[in-house]
Amino acid sequence: DIVMTQSPDSLSVSLGERATINCKSSQSVLYSSNNKNYLTWYQQKPGQPPKLLIYWASTRESGVPDRFSGSGSGTEFTLTISSLQAEDVAVYYCHQHFRFPFTFGPGTKVDIK
Amino acid sequence: EVQVLESGGGLVQPGGSLRLSCAASGFTFSSYAMSWVRQAPGKGLEWVSIISGSDDSTYYIDSVKGRFAISRDNPKNTVYLQMNSLRVEDTAVYYCLKGSSANYYINMDVWGQGTTVTVSS
Repeated sequence: DIVMTQSPDSLSVSLGERATINCKSSQSVLYSSNNKNYLTWYQQKPGQPPKLLIYWASTRESGVPDRFSGSGSGTEFTLTISSLQAEDVAVYYCHQHFRFPFTFGPGTKVDIK
Repeated sequence: EVQVLESGGGLVQPGGSLRLSCAASGFTFSSYAMSWVRQAPGKGLEWVSIISGSDDSTYYIDSVKGRFAISRDNPKNTVYLQMNSLRVEDTAVYYCLKGSSANYYINMDVWGQGTTVTVSS
């Protein structure tokens, strides 16, 4: 199985400051035939189902604010919130859909300092 | 509006069965893969199963193989998860997800609100 790890487990960031979440996969999730990373980021706010933020590692879903960005390739990925807003308090999960069984990272909890 | 809505959760004894349903609307259901993901109380997300939108191929996480079965009824725009021989560790909120294409090696772009399954004596 591809193991997904995230760091940090949690972080507290001041409003307007940058938040950076890292995700690593135990195997590459880059498919060479199409040069796509099969890596997705989801946001789960308290009491809500997760919501799609970023797919193919760096493509922002329609309607997602541009303060959210994704980067990385192969086995190392980053989700960046450029200027944290109060509504961004949530748990963020990375997810690989490159190989079965699909797996999620353990999540990173983001709150306001 | 694209939506998926789960139902069928509840309290069941260990060894029992439940069938979850997920009703889809707002998109051409037969053209998309559908998946189930669960979240145990206070825990993270765990992918459970997927069914493709092209040939009805299915895949499962090892811990549910032989006990759970995913299926779809395209005329009814509904995907099901038949859960047999339930264990205490299957207790979770079960989310239904829509894939972004018929292929299953894709991201899931719409989540339902979830339905709660509790396995307890």
